[in-house]
Amino acid sequence: DIQMTQSPSSLSASVGDRVTITCRASQSITKFLNWFQQKPGQAPKLLIYGASRLESGVPPRFSGRGSGRDFTLTISNLQPEDFATYYCQQGDSTPATFGQGTRLDIK
Amino acid sequence: QVQLKESGPGLVKPSETLSLNCDVSGFSISTGHYWGWIRQSPGKGFEFMASVFHTGSTYYNPSLKSRITLSLDTSKNQVSLRLNSVTAADTAIYYCVRDRGSSAIFDSWGQGTLVTVSS
Repeated sequence: DIQMTQSPSSLSASVGDRVTITCRASQSITKFLNWFQQKPGQAPKLLIYGASRLESGVPPRFSGRGSGRDFTLTISNLQPEDFATYYCQQGDSTPATFGQGTRLDIK
Repeated sequence: QVQLKESGPGLVKPSETLSLNCDVSGFSISTGHYWGWIRQSPGKGFEFMASVFHTGSTYYNPSLKSRITLSLDTSKNQVSLRLNSVTAADTAIYYCVRDRGSSAIFDSWGQGTLVTVSS
């Protein structure tokens, strides 16, 4: 199985900040990389698919980049509702696998 | 707008079978997409378990293949999961998901249901 490693595992930021989360795959996954947001007690929500494509209804302050093994999720102008845990997930090879998550909390 | 809702026992005894249903509304499962199950546990994080295409063909995670069965009931618009011979390691939140493509894009999730394996 492809291993997905996220960094950092947690970070603190303030409303209005810009943050970047990194995800690295154990082998190339071309652009088959998705990002999810999960809030406590809720199911994950798809934010970005295909490394950089914004899911319908997701604010444009969320953006994704990368290809091959290295990917980033950037959130610009952090809003109070953005404080959550973020996960990457690869869809290049079966079975799909997820990163361990990055918890974003308020500084 | 598609909605998914899981149902089933919250407590299962070790060595028994875990059975969960996923009721889908707002979309007919017989017309397209893959439908699957993903679980989340504190120790293992997210684990993709299995998926079934609208035609009925299935994919099972090799780590679970000997214990898992996935099926569709198009008359009820329902996806069902059976996991045999459960142990405490199967304790998790189980999510029903829609995969809208061939590259595992999980665009819709149920609310999740907690299943605890304990005697």
